[in-house]
Amino acid sequence: ILNVEQSPQSLHVQEGDSTNFTCSFPSSNFYALHWYRWETAKSPEALFVMTLNGDEKKKGRISATLNTKEGYSYLYIKGSQPEDSATYLCAFSPYGGSQGNLIFGKGTKLSVKP
Amino acid sequence: ETGVTQTPRHLVMGMTNKKSLKCEQHLGHNAMYWYKQSAKKPLELMFVYSLEERVENNSVPSRFSPECPNSSHLFLHLHTLQPEDSALYLCASSQLANPYNEQFFGPGTRLTVL
Repeated sequence: ILNVEQSPQSLHVQEGDSTNFTCSFPSSNFYALHWYRWETAKSPEALFVMTLNGDEKKKGRISATLNTKEGYSYLYIKGSQPEDSATYLCAFSPYGGSQGNLIFGKGTKLSVKP
Repeated sequence: ETGVTQTPRHLVMGMTNKKSLKCEQHLGHNAMYWYKQSAKKPLELMFVYSLEERVENNSVPSRFSPECPNSSHLFLHLHTLQPEDSALYLCASSQLANPYNEQFFGPGTRLTVL
């Protein structure tokens, strides 16, 4: 059974703090790793799709790194703002899996206090 | 707005009812997906359609019946559901059904089975 683990489950930070969370996935059979941001009462929104070991991607204050050999990805948020409050999901696509098959973690719920 | 709409947003049904969930994407994508999120569980892939053909059925019970009449529309027909089928059902689309394409999600249908 392929499992994606995310930690921590939830995180409370103050506005201006920088934070990071982890996504762990099986290191064998790696194809791609996705990060999504899901605000309450809205649709999940794609942040990054990462495929290569050592990949680093950045969008504004949010960045992500990927280590496919050890099976983890980090998501970083620099200078958190209240509007960053959301659940951050990662999803793993295994090599040899069905087309477009993403295996999701349970997410990290981030709350940013003003 | 992600370009993916779902109706209805909320649905309450009895175990003997038949109902359908509808998804429409306005992005010109060729792949569409149904996901289920039960309480305290990660998003679980149910079905994948690529170019209107079903390419993945993730061991979903037959009381859930998908239909993809064209590349813009996806339905999930429901009949004789169980209370444990109560969940959030999300639709998504992507350019192609492959691991490199980010998926665009609808806002979901919150289903309650009495």
